[in-house]
Amino acid sequence: RKEVEQDPGPFNVPEGATVAFNCTYSNSASQSFFWYRQDCRKEPKLLMSVYSSGNEDGRFTAQLNRASQYISLLIRDSKLSDSATYLCVVNPGGGNKLTFGTGTQLKVEL
Amino acid sequence: GAVVSQHPSRVICKSGTSVKIECRSLDFQATTMFWYRQFPKQSLMLMATSNEGSKATYEQGVEKDKFLINHASLTLSTLTVTSAHPEDSSFYICSASTGGNQETQYFGPGTRLLVL
Repeated sequence: RKEVEQDPGPFNVPEGATVAFNCTYSNSASQSFFWYRQDCRKEPKLLMSVYSSGNEDGRFTAQLNRASQYISLLIRDSKLSDSATYLCVVNPGGGNKLTFGTGTQLKVEL
Repeated sequence: GAVVSQHPSRVICKSGTSVKIECRSLDFQATTMFWYRQFPKQSLMLMATSNEGSKATYEQGVEKDKFLINHASLTLSTLTVTSAHPEDSSFYICSASTGGNQETQYFGPGTRLLVL
């Protein structure tokens, strides 16, 4: 089983739609969680950290379910500029190494 | 936010040559730097972790004699791909953090290596 698993997509949605991505992780001792965004042929950029109580940043909401070992990202009112690959990232603990999922591709269309 | 640069942004070389990639933290001191490799449509794979002034820690399956890492100062780490072969063609990305647990990593823009 992969350490971090994501549906690769692509998710093709119309502008204005709400879209949700899920991610599962295998290490129950994982300590911190993030969503990164990666544009084509670019480096990943931190979108948001994911906190146990869930957190929101504008149109983006992240949630963590430790019991089921999954993380979600909800994007409301999708914009064309949201088109990218969204990477689920986990710090498995014992330092600041990160484990990346393969990413979920989002395409927002007119 | 913190800025990390990489140089060069892309390089094409002949098989058998060595290629050096630089990673610099521009506005902060990076106690720890990480080197990743990403093949097309795959996730970032951590190659090694380097701490300033000490030897790098390599991930399983990554040859330390093939991928030489030097972290000589708090703002510079270098990755040298020695005797590069076509299968080493990839997107190499560094990141830097100020250290400690669960610290944010700031990524460089990556270096695209093509070995002919």
